[in-house]
Amino acid sequence: NAGVTQTPKFQVLKTGQSMTLQCAQDMNHEYMSWYRQDPGMGLRLIHYSVGAGITDQGEVPNGYNVSRSTTEDFPLRLLSAAPSQTSVYFCASTLLRGSNTGELFFGEGSRLTVL
Amino acid sequence: QKEVEQDPGPLSVPEGAIVSLNCTYSNSAFQYFMWYRQYSRKGPELLMYTYSSGNKEDGRFTAQVDKSSKYISLFIRDSQPSDSATYLCAMRSRSNTGKLIFGQGTTLQVKP
Repeated sequence: NAGVTQTPKFQVLKTGQSMTLQCAQDMNHEYMSWYRQDPGMGLRLIHYSVGAGITDQGEVPNGYNVSRSTTEDFPLRLLSAAPSQTSVYFCASTLLRGSNTGELFFGEGSRLTVL
Repeated sequence: QKEVEQDPGPLSVPEGAIVSLNCTYSNSAFQYFMWYRQYSRKGPELLMYTYSSGNKEDGRFTAQVDKSSKYISLFIRDSQPSDSATYLCAMRSRSNTGKLIFGQGTTLQVKP
């Protein structure tokens, strides 16, 4: 069981470039989400999905796109990178049915620097 | 004003000390309260979970929830250097499974 796998672990972009952060989970979780973590700001929700074909915005969605074509994968796309998007990005997932706690399982994070 | 407020610290204590970490929140719909621990350059992992008000104990860790004051706490007894990490409180309402709202996180260092 790999859990939640994020790639790449590190990435440096120039302003205006686009890229996709990949996230995959092998736990058959319906719910998947992306957070960004910045010093002093904690974890802020970017986008989330409650199942294949369903996505919704979180607290800080601007500049990011997501799609959910399969249960396992939830990629995060940066359309035109800006220095303000320099951050550590975490993908997280959980069961919606049969879970008492709604515990989120996190990946190891993707560190993105935008120059 | 953020929905969940947590003092970011940093907090430095000697080994063996009792540590108290706290969060306040404003949304009275929150019913599920969690504490996550995050080691440096790792993803957060669930440490404690509490539903509604009350206390929960797990070894050296005790989580408390006071819904009337909108205040939650995590106590660590006999702190160890291995407890050095960032501790994040998180909470959600009954209907929002998975949609956790996090505090800013408190960085704790336990010195031997």
